[in-house]
Amino acid sequence: AQKVTQAQTEISVVEKEDVTLDCVYETRDTTYYLFWYKQPPSGELVFLIRRNSFDEQNEISGRYSWNFQKSTSSFNFTITASQVVDSAVYFCALSEAGGGSQGNLIFGKGTKLSVKP
Amino acid sequence: DTEVTQTPKHLVMGMTNKKSLKCEQHMGHRAMYWYKQKAKKPPELMFVYSYEKLSINESVPSRFSPECPNSSLLNLHLHALQPEDSALYLCASSQASAAGNNSPLHFGNGTRLTVT
Repeated sequence: AQKVTQAQTEISVVEKEDVTLDCVYETRDTTYYLFWYKQPPSGELVFLIRRNSFDEQNEISGRYSWNFQKSTSSFNFTITASQVVDSAVYFCALSEAGGGSQGNLIFGKGTKLSVKP
Repeated sequence: DTEVTQTPKHLVMGMTNKKSLKCEQHMGHRAMYWYKQKAKKPPELMFVYSYEKLSINESVPSRFSPECPNSSLLNLHLHALQPEDSALYLCASSQASAAGNNSPLHFGNGTRLTVT
């Protein structure tokens, strides 16, 4: 069965601190995709990154970075020098490959990040 | 601003009412989705349309009726809802691919529905 675990329910940091959001996944598929989405208080889900199972390279985008490790089935997300605007709920998600599963994202329960000024 | 537009932003309806949620995208995406999100929970998939045809229905009760009039529009018709159906309803779209390259979903801001 597929499953995504975000063990951290809520995290609170002070502005400019670095913070890492953990994501551990389970799947029996050899081909799969991992995603991170941000959901600010306004409600929309904002796509941050997609990674396929064959690409273990870490990625950096500005203050955001992602560490994908198949050996530990983890896809962690780090925000460097956090800002108040980073406050949101962050979801990690998994989907299997195959046209029939379009949109069938398995979401983790989300981590609520609060960045205090 | 999101490229997927949902209206209305908020909706309050009684259990005997009939209402519709609307979603529009102009990114040329051929796959569109309805998700339901309860407070402090992750989104749950309801329906998927691919090339204007319903491809996934996640055992959603018939009081929710989706409709895809064309490739840019997606509606969700509501009838005889229950208070427990109160939630944030999110529309999303993505490139559709038979090869299943799992293109990222682009979500709208959602409609916050309250059933009284």
